[in-house]
Amino acid sequence: GAGVSQSPSNKVTEKGKDVELRCDPISGHTALYWYRQSLGQGLEFLIYFQGNSAPDKSGLPSDRFSAERTGGSVSTLTIQRTQQEDSAVYLCASTLTGNEQFFGPGTRLTVL
Amino acid sequence: AQSVTQPDIHITVSEGASLELRCNYSYGATPYLFWYVQSPGQGLQLLLKYFSGDTLVQGIKGFEAEFKRSQSSFNLRKPSVHWSDAAEYFCAVGVRGGGADGLTFGKGTHLIIQP
Repeated sequence: GAGVSQSPSNKVTEKGKDVELRCDPISGHTALYWYRQSLGQGLEFLIYFQGNSAPDKSGLPSDRFSAERTGGSVSTLTIQRTQQEDSAVYLCASTLTGNEQFFGPGTRLTVL
Repeated sequence: AQSVTQPDIHITVSEGASLELRCNYSYGATPYLFWYVQSPGQGLQLLLKYFSGDTLVQGIKGFEAEFKRSQSSFNLRKPSVHWSDAAEYFCAVGVRGGGADGLTFGKGTHLIIQP
């Protein structure tokens, strides 16, 4: 079946603009994760959804970051008033059993 | 807090030679350990995982890893590398599947294969 998909694959934006990143998990996967991959910080966990709820948002880097998941499926990560330090690859992963996280190809965000 | 250390940022190996990538972890509970591989422009692919039982685990693409609790290590090995193994390798620790805190990753080891 289809894997985790993310869109867009690349996003270039100007500082101060808002961006939305989308993640389509594998059908039926109840848990969804967002990570950020940057040169300086490596891979960082951002947020976890079980169904539509995110019990803990403390991993989000700042209050400019928000995430939601609707219908237990698609998730969007929104970054408001983007800054240059937000430039990174944003990865999404999903899992059903909890044995393995399946990762999408990522969205490369560049903030000019 | 848990942490993962991959001491080698880059490793260069000749094609056909053996490979060992090091991983040390710090984790308060029984660790669940993972090795992922990332090719340029791609997402992460799971190579193998350790939850319990036999400390030598086999993965895809001919990789294996050994869990050593006394050394807090989970090193990745392959007896003979192929040019297609050139990629970034990440060791990760967490609860089974990630839980509510996700996985904690090492900084990665960039593997270069010499012809």
